[in-house]
Amino acid sequence: KAGVTQTPRYLIKTRGQQVTLSCSPISGHRSVSWYQQTPGQGLQFLFEYFSETQRNKGNFPGRFSGRQFSNSRSEMNVSTLELGDSALYLCASSPTVHPSEQYFGPGTRLTVT
Amino acid sequence: AQSVTQLGSHVSVSEGALVLLRCNYSSSVPPYLFWYVQYPNQGLQLLLKYTTGATLVKGINGFEAEFKKSETSFHLTKPSAHMSDAAEYFCARSGSARQLTFGSGTQLTVLP
Repeated sequence: KAGVTQTPRYLIKTRGQQVTLSCSPISGHRSVSWYQQTPGQGLQFLFEYFSETQRNKGNFPGRFSGRQFSNSRSEMNVSTLELGDSALYLCASSPTVHPSEQYFGPGTRLTVT
Repeated sequence: AQSVTQLGSHVSVSEGALVLLRCNYSSSVPPYLFWYVQYPNQGLQLLLKYTTGATLVKGINGFEAEFKKSETSFHLTKPSAHMSDAAEYFCARSGSARQLTFGSGTQLTVLP
């Protein structure tokens, strides 16, 4: 099976702009989670979607949002970008709703200037 | 709040030596525990997981970890380090909420 894919892999944006990142989960996986990785804060949970519904949300401002489509693909959006949003954004998919392992994509490296 | 603590942000070992990366968790009930590895400019790769049952868990690339409830620990070991093991390692937990809570990571350096 193909792994989790994320597009684009690299992105440079300017403060104040918005950005949309895309994630395609492993075939058959219906749960998609998003994480932010920065040198200062480490890996932090953003949100999780299952069957097009947000099931859980981390402690991030409302500028961070996401959605999931009927084919389980997911997008996350960050509006009004700030310098501190520069990070590696990782998407992970999982086959079930029960606690289990998550499989990560390669990430999207976002740089905000 | 549930947390994961990784002791030692940097660990160096010689090639062929034992690798020991430490992880402790805080939880009132045994959680699900994971070790992930991250190579430069890549995502996270699952090494192994503990859910229930056998407390000694074997993973990929010769790694294993032992769940010790009394010590709330889940240390990662490998008997003989290889140069290709150089990477950053993350311990993580999840509970009834499916989100993963990660430790701060341990950068493993393997010396020739």
